[in-house]
Amino acid sequence: EIVMTQSPATLSVSPGERATLSCRASQSVSSRLAWYQQKPGQAPRLLINGASTRATGIPARFSGSGSVTEFTLTISSLQSEDFAVYYCQQYNHWPRTFGQGTKLEIK
Amino acid sequence: EVQLVESGGGLVQPGRSLRLSCAASGFTFDDYAMHWVRQAPGKGLEWVSSISWNSGRIGYADSVKGRFTISRDNAENSLFLQMNSLRAEDTALYYCAKDIGSDGDYSWFDLWGQGTLVTVSS
Repeated sequence: EIVMTQSPATLSVSPGERATLSCRASQSVSSRLAWYQQKPGQAPRLLINGASTRATGIPARFSGSGSVTEFTLTISSLQSEDFAVYYCQQYNHWPRTFGQGTKLEIK
Repeated sequence: EVQLVESGGGLVQPGRSLRLSCAASGFTFDDYAMHWVRQAPGKGLEWVSSISWNSGRIGYADSVKGRFTISRDNAENSLFLQMNSLRAEDTALYYCAKDIGSDGDYSWFDLWGQGTLVTVSS
């Protein structure tokens, strides 16, 4: 099973600043990496697929990068609605596995 | 409107069974693979099971293999999860999720329902 490790567990950032979230895979997942955003009481929402392709309707301030085992989600100029939990997920191997999540909180 | 609506959750005793349903609307259900993903209270996401568009390919997490059965009814635009021999560690919010492809290979989830809560306790 591919283990996905996200860091940090919690990230405190001020509105308007940039946030950088990391995700590491225990072995290569190529570029088959998705990012999801989950707000309290809501279902996850797809942000990024293919490590760097924004999903439909996702603002340009969200960007993804990386390949193989190291991935990054960057949110430039944080808006109030961006404070949430973010999960990475690999879809290169079965079983599909998620990181444990990074909670992005207001500083 | 494109949506997934789960139902069937509730409080159940250890060892008992429960059947979850997911009603799909707003898209051609039988074009896509579907998944169940769960989230224990205050925890992260765990993939549970997947089924291809024609039920020809099915997979389970090791934690539920032999106890859970996924199925679908394309005529009724519905996905199901039969859960037997339930354990306390199965307590979670269960989401159904739509795949972007038909067989679930090398593909991600682009639509999620709001989830149905399963609580396993005596």
